[in-house]
Amino acid sequence: AQSVTQLDSQVPVFEEAPVELRCNYSSSVSVYLFWYVQYPNQGLQLLLKYLSGSTLVKGINGFEAEFNKSQTSFHLRKPSVHISDTAEYFCAVSRAGNMLTFGGGTRLMVKP
Amino acid sequence: SQTIHQWPATLVQPVGSPLSLECTVEGTSNPNLYWYRQAAGRGLQLLFYSVGIGQISSEVPQNLSASRPQDRQFILSSKKLLLSDSGFYLCAWGGGPNTEAFFGQGTRLTVV
Repeated sequence: AQSVTQLDSQVPVFEEAPVELRCNYSSSVSVYLFWYVQYPNQGLQLLLKYLSGSTLVKGINGFEAEFNKSQTSFHLRKPSVHISDTAEYFCAVSRAGNMLTFGGGTRLMVKP
Repeated sequence: SQTIHQWPATLVQPVGSPLSLECTVEGTSNPNLYWYRQAAGRGLQLLFYSVGIGQISSEVPQNLSASRPQDRQFILSSKKLLLSDSGFYLCAWGGGPNTEAFFGQGTRLTVV
């Protein structure tokens, strides 16, 4: 069985400040990890994914994440956020093919 | 390229009425298909998945059912809606083992 925990339900941050959205997972087998972004009343868009290889993964819109196996974490970071980054962010882990288990989501609120 | 269509975008239905949400995928064959629900303020819950025509697996027992009459068509149904069926429903498809899922734009269902 596997689960995903997003430690912060909301993260307020000022524009141009750095941000980190935390994600921890538990799984008894090797995992593949994903971050998705959801803008209001829209579907989910893939930001980045970790399948294998380098533990630092770069995605779209300037986001990156680091896979840390010993800490079972996959935190999402951006060095300087914009107002347009305001959205809900979901961490997910895949199991049994590509059925995804999602975390509860983190609402990023970027303030001017 | 692959695209996924989901409709309608919004729907308001009275309690006890039937439901039919449709999802179609273009540009790929034999995709894994998924229905997720996102209740207000909560994460995504996997409702159904399908690995082929007529093959449906249910993750959570509930008032809903799913069908896959064609390779690239996935339908979510209910005979009698409940208030608790309100939420944001997302269809998704996955291209292969341990790769990401691709989401439709979602249907906002309000049961009144």
